[in-house]
Amino acid sequence: DVKVTQSSRYLVKRTGEKVFLECVQDMDHENMFWYRQDPGLGLRLIYFSYDVKMKEKGDIPEGYSVSREKKERFSLILESASTNQTSMYLCASSLSGYGYTFGSGTRLTVV
Amino acid sequence: AQSVTQLGSHVSVSEGALVLLRCNYSSSVPPYLFWYVQYPNQGLQLLLKYTSAATLVKGINGFEAEFKKSETSFHLTKPSAHMSDAAEYFCAVSDDTSYDKVIFGPGTSLSVIP
Repeated sequence: DVKVTQSSRYLVKRTGEKVFLECVQDMDHENMFWYRQDPGLGLRLIYFSYDVKMKEKGDIPEGYSVSREKKERFSLILESASTNQTSMYLCASSLSGYGYTFGSGTRLTVV
Repeated sequence: AQSVTQLGSHVSVSEGALVLLRCNYSSSVPPYLFWYVQYPNQGLQLLLKYTSAATLVKGINGFEAEFKKSETSFHLTKPSAHMSDAAEYFCAVSDDTSYDKVIFGPGTSLSVIP
């Protein structure tokens, strides 16, 4: 089975900190995605990547950046964490047309 | 741009009753369609997908969905609800410009009453 691993299940960070959320997939998928999930707002796409060193903005990229130096790893970076970035963060990977495989999520709290 | 609507943010059914979760999408271009399930504090898991083969798609855990182009719908059903089906369900559709990118609906929370 394809596995998407997010490095932390729960994370607490202070306002202003630089935060790294790591995501690794083990099935050679081309596509990787970062979403945030908030009650009442559903899943919102932050950034995605179709290839190494390639990235595209999603619907809510402000305050975030990403890095994809290797095919299997897609990192989400919060440049200066703020309380409104407290959320569940979901990473996913896919082969074209086959649907996404999600990680277990990282619940980030910014205090 | 594609959009997805799910009628009913919360649905309750009795154990053993039919489960029907509704999903409609906006585009007239046949897309790829998906249903995902999310259990508490977990990521999303793919239940089933439609990719222009048979219009009735069978998925895991006894779920199935029927693609109806004329109604732009992709409703999810299960003949008999089980307590373990209680979860959040998301319908999703491929983006107009890329099959690689998926647009998610707002989700429906399913409760199963004993």
